[in-house]
Amino acid sequence: AQSVTQPDIHITVSEGASLELRCNYSYGATPYLFWYVQSPGQGLQLLLKYFSGDTLVQGIKGFEAEFKRSQSSFNLRKPSVHWSDAAEYFCAAGSSNTGKLIFGQGTTLQVKP
Amino acid sequence: EPEVTQTPSHQVTQMGQEVILRCVPISNHLYFYWYRQILGQKVEFLVSFYNNEISEKSEIFDDQFSVERPDGSNFTLKIRSTKLEDSAMYFCASRIGQASSPQHFGDGTRLSIL
Repeated sequence: AQSVTQPDIHITVSEGASLELRCNYSYGATPYLFWYVQSPGQGLQLLLKYFSGDTLVQGIKGFEAEFKRSQSSFNLRKPSVHWSDAAEYFCAAGSSNTGKLIFGQGTTLQVKP
Repeated sequence: EPEVTQTPSHQVTQMGQEVILRCVPISNHLYFYWYRQILGQKVEFLVSFYNNEISEKSEIFDDQFSVERPDGSNFTLKIRSTKLEDSAMYFCASRIGQASSPQHFGDGTRLSIL
């Protein structure tokens, strides 16, 4: 069955520290991969996406993610976290026909001053 | 920048009542979706809609649920007889074309069933 796993439910980092959020997928073929961010009371905002080609993709707000086929992973990274990055982060895999997204359970990021 | 808008932001309904959640997708988008997020759980796919018909639905989307695009701008989700377990945040999303184009999400409607 298709699934997306985010192993870390909650992560706390200090402001200015680097960040890596993990995402693993299980899919029949290489899916389209996305990272979304959700601030409290708001919708899901797209951070970045991977379809094909260069396995390191750049997104908004200084985020990047690396697709590793051998590990079925698509981890999100940021070199220096800002307090405003505190939010919930969702990894998602997309179907190539209907575009239906399968989401991971999300990782809540807390940023310490 | 164009965005997906959802109304109302919060809906409180008695169990057994019908509820309609409304969405206005981005105007040139062709594919439409509903997802839900029960408090503390992951975002779950409900249904996808294209060319005026359902293209895929999940097992959650049973006969109590229906979707409609009544005119050129609105996309609605109807729950015919609400249950307590329908309490969740419901998100509408749209995308412009092929599956590689990202989905744009609205801010959601929080549905509370009493």
